Amino acid sequence: GIQVEQSPPDLILQEGANSTLRCNFSDSVNNLQWFHQNPWGQLINLFYIPSGTKQNGRLSATTVATERYSLLYISSSQTTDSGVYFCAVLIRNQFYFGTGTSLTVIP
Amino acid sequence: GAGVSQTPSNKVTEKGKYVELRCDPISGHTALYWYRQSLGQGPEFLIYFQGTGAADDSGLPNDRFFAVRPEGSVSTLKIQRTERGDSAVYLCASSFTLTSGSTDTQYFGPGTRLTVL
Repeated sequence: GIQVEQSPPDLILQEGANSTLRCNFSDSVNNLQWFHQNPWGQLINLFYIPSGTKQNGRLSATTVATERYSLLYISSSQTTDSGVYFCAVLIRNQFYFGTGTSLTVIP
Repeated sequence: GAGVSQTPSNKVTEKGKYVELRCDPISGHTALYWYRQSLGQGPEFLIYFQGTGAADDSGLPNDRFFAVRPEGSVSTLKIQRTERGDSAVYLCASSFTLTSGSTDTQYFGPGTRLTVL
């Protein structure tokens, strides 16, 4: 079946540090999104990035579709970045979510 | 409205009861998705609507689950004879559909937390 794997599963950072989160997927995708799920459970869209690179403030993402992976970069992390980061891929009308990376940023 | 809304935010019911969960998508979004999220896991696809029709309902776990979107806007997820294992957060998302037929950026609602006692 379709597999979406995220690494690392857990990450603890000191405020101000940088990090890279990875998403590997097992099939060709039509769509890939990164989400941040905050402590209240709300999923917030970060990037719609089926290929290429995008940047938004301290966050950037790169998807290499031919090699079936995507990376999310967080620079100068803040405590408000804490939460779970999910990637989701669209394959044949269905979105498949990874298991997430749980990020804790400590002051 | 400005975003996807879901009601109720919390629902507690007893085993065997019937429940309905409502999703109001962003105005103009043609695609609508339902997901279920259990504790510590990512959202799991249930069903996808394109307009009024269910384009893919292969994620519904069994025939106790049913969803409708009669006018192509609001959707209702219906669960019959609820079981304790149905307890989860039910999430709804909506998006535009691209001219290629693929789905544009999904926007999620806050979810409905269902607890079956």
